[in-house]
Amino acid sequence: GIQVEQSPPDLILQEGANSTLRCNFSDSVNNLQWFHQNPWGQLINLFYIPSGTKQNGRLSATTVATERYSLLYISSSQTTDSGVYFCAVVRNAGNMLTFGGGTRLMVKP
Amino acid sequence: EPEVTQTPSHQVTQMGQEVILRCVPISNHLYFYWYRQILGQKVEFLVSFYNNEISEKSEIFDDQFSVERPDGSNFTLKIRSTKLEDSAMYFCASSIQGATGELFFGEGSRLTVL
Repeated sequence: GIQVEQSPPDLILQEGANSTLRCNFSDSVNNLQWFHQNPWGQLINLFYIPSGTKQNGRLSATTVATERYSLLYISSSQTTDSGVYFCAVVRNAGNMLTFGGGTRLMVKP
Repeated sequence: EPEVTQTPSHQVTQMGQEVILRCVPISNHLYFYWYRQILGQKVEFLVSFYNNEISEKSEIFDDQFSVERPDGSNFTLKIRSTKLEDSAMYFCASSIQGATGELFFGEGSRLTVL
């Protein structure tokens, strides 16, 4: 099956700092989503971004499908941004989202 | 905003007992999914369901698991005889256009098997 690797696995930031999270995948995809898992375990949709660039407030994401990676940018981080960020993809002709291992982010006040 | 809802939010059961987890997908969605996440690990696919039948399942989804859409709104996951290793968070998801479209996840049902 498709491999999804996220980096870094852990990240500690001071409030107000910026960060970039990376997602590499091993095959062509027709779906890519970023999620934030909050401390209560809920998976919050951030972006549906199989290609291109999107922005939502302090968050933005870019997927370069031809090079098989996606980036999630967090600017001016806040303590509420803490949690685990997951990238998930569907390979071409596939029928399931495959999740990466996540990046665990802690934002300190 | 429409959302996927799941019940119960937390269930504790004894090993060997049957458990049913319930989900109400977003009303105009046609594709339904169950995923699970063992504590501290990645989210894993269990099964996808479309047009009243399973469209794909993982090797985790063995004979002790079953899914059903008993009416026009609910989508259930049954675990026939729970094992300790079934302890996990179970997520239901739905989408309009299948896995190529955006999947929306419920808040999860945490299952603890003692």
